[in-house]
Amino acid sequence: GQNIDQPTEMTATEGAIVQINCTYQTSGFNGLFWYQQHAGEAPTFLSYNVLDGLEEKGRFSSFLSRSKGYSYLLLKELQMKDSASYLCAVRDSNYQLIWGAGTKLIIKP
Amino acid sequence: NAGVTQTPKFQVLKTGQSMTLQCAQDMNHEYMSWYRQDPGMGLRLIHYSVGAGITDQGEVPNGYNVSRSTTEDFPLRLLSAAPSQTSVYFCASSSLEAGIENTGELFFGEGSRLTVL
Repeated sequence: GQNIDQPTEMTATEGAIVQINCTYQTSGFNGLFWYQQHAGEAPTFLSYNVLDGLEEKGRFSSFLSRSKGYSYLLLKELQMKDSASYLCAVRDSNYQLIWGAGTKLIIKP
Repeated sequence: NAGVTQTPKFQVLKTGQSMTLQCAQDMNHEYMSWYRQDPGMGLRLIHYSVGAGITDQGEVPNGYNVSRSTTEDFPLRLLSAAPSQTSVYFCASSSLEAGIENTGELFFGEGSRLTVL
């Protein structure tokens, strides 16, 4: 079966760095997405990786290793507004998205 | 910029009632989809469409119907509501246009919170 695993919850301190991991087993691979979802709101797109390596976008970076079925989202200089759930999703061979359950990130002052 | 618009935002139904969740997008996206989101679970695909007149089932289609008569609209119908359909529903759309610049990212509506008593 297809599976996306990510930690349920993580806690970090304002100003610090946090890495949220995502491992996947899917039928084929056509890209990996990270979305941010604040409580009570809709998911919003953060990043997309289709080739191995690091994609940097401001304070957020996303890494992909296709051979290991592994990605991480790196958040630097954490701010209180970064408190949210972070969703990992993989597009499979049928171009359908398989979603992880999300990682709830709690930022403490 | 309207993007993806969902209505209603909140709805309470009694078991057995039917209703339609409306979804409209103004980005000329070919792909539209409906997801449900439940605590502790990933987003689950209910139905999707790759263009007007074309719909297909996702992971959890039972109890739901869709239609796509226009590019812009993709309503989701609950035929006979059950407590198990209590959830948050998201409509999402994306472009299917090929190209290096297009990631195919999904644009989500604000969500519809449905409670079935």
